[in-house]
Amino acid sequence: EAGVTQSPTHLIKTRGQQATLRCSPISGHTSVYWYQQALGLGLQFLLWYDEGEERNRGNFPPRFSGRQFPNYSSELNVNALELEDSALYLCASSLEPGGKLFFGSGTQLSVL
Amino acid sequence: EDQVTQSPEALRLQEGESSSLNCSYTVSGLRGLFWYRQDPGKGPEFLFTLYSAGEEKEKERLKATLTKKESFLHITAPKPEDSATYLCAVQAAGNQFYFGTGTSLTVIP
Repeated sequence: EAGVTQSPTHLIKTRGQQATLRCSPISGHTSVYWYQQALGLGLQFLLWYDEGEERNRGNFPPRFSGRQFPNYSSELNVNALELEDSALYLCASSLEPGGKLFFGSGTQLSVL
Repeated sequence: EDQVTQSPEALRLQEGESSSLNCSYTVSGLRGLFWYRQDPGKGPEFLFTLYSAGEEKEKERLKATLTKKESFLHITAPKPEDSATYLCAVQAAGNQFYFGTGTSLTVIP
């Protein structure tokens, strides 16, 4: 069974640009979570989607947004990139809301 | 405010030297406490879920315990392959997960 897949693995952008990160959950999982892991910091909760709807949002500015598609895959968009957005972005899926999280390997975003 | 604190930040052990990692938490409506292992360049890998005080779970050289305010991850006779960052997360009401900053464990042969 395929795990959570994220693309791209690495992404290099310059300040002010937009970044799009993609996530495919484990087959059958309906919930998708996005986390930011900056160097030296813990995982910071960004967004939670379930059944195509945004269920909860972390303490991040509106330029962090996303969506979940009918096949439960998800996209994270970061507009007007800032240097401090450089981090590992992790996607996780769960079989049901609040269930055990299974993580992908992440997208390493570097903003120059 | 919901918060998870892990200690120590880093731990170096000789192979075979047992120790414990701590995760203390303050959260309203605890629904579960999770332990994950994260290797460099990879996403966290699930280890254990604990739901109530007094509960214990074991897997190979790892044993997780839970009290009302903290959890411990005991590592018995560790091997170099146990080297990783160990993350603790609590699940609060509303299905929100809060993660600690992790303990970086290095086991020296």
